[in-house]
Amino acid sequence: NAGVTQTPKFQVLKTGQSMTLQCAQDMNHNSMYWYRQDPGMGLRLIYYSASEGTTDKGEVPNGYNVSRLNKREFSLRLESAAPSQTSVYFCASSEQGGTAPLHFGNGTRLTVT
Amino acid sequence: AQSVTQLDSQVPVFEEAPVELRCNYSSSVSVYLFWYVQYPNQGLQLLLKYLSGSTLVESINGFEAEFNKSQTSFHLRKPSVHISDTAEYFCAVSDRGTSGTYKYIFGTGTRLKVLA
Repeated sequence: NAGVTQTPKFQVLKTGQSMTLQCAQDMNHNSMYWYRQDPGMGLRLIYYSASEGTTDKGEVPNGYNVSRLNKREFSLRLESAAPSQTSVYFCASSEQGGTAPLHFGNGTRLTVT
Repeated sequence: AQSVTQLDSQVPVFEEAPVELRCNYSSSVSVYLFWYVQYPNQGLQLLLKYLSGSTLVESINGFEAEFNKSQTSFHLRKPSVHISDTAEYFCAVSDRGTSGTYKYIFGTGTRLKVLA
């Protein structure tokens, strides 16, 4: 029962570098989400995908891109990392949007220097 | 668009005392509400949810929350807390976006510290 798997767990980048955060779920869920968590700000939605082949912007999409590669995988890319993107990133999935609860991965702690 | 307010950023409480964590949401015709718990260095886990029906919902570990439509609140309560309840608690609401798809909006969280 892997649930939602995120890789890597930790990452340090220099300003301007790029990277992709990977997320995969094995629950056959339709919807997937990327959040960032910062102290005192709770979880803020970056992007989400209601179904395979669709993506929508959340509250804080600037500086990020996403790809819903297939039903299982939803990746988050930082093209040119900035110190303001230092955060803990969580991927989540749900059976369908609205009434179904979210299942979270354990997070990726990203530091941009 | 929906929004969620958790007024208390930190709540210290002694073991075996009652606790209430407050959550208010912006009004909507229909609303689905959730409480999640986050233990250190982990992802969030669902604690309980309100979808419809009885306004009082309970979790398996003694927490309960009451949906109050007139006050647009969904406060979380526990009559007697344990040290193991020390964690951060997040209130969330699902919101139907302009594209017709649902997203989940979270509050800023309340850090519950249970003292011996």
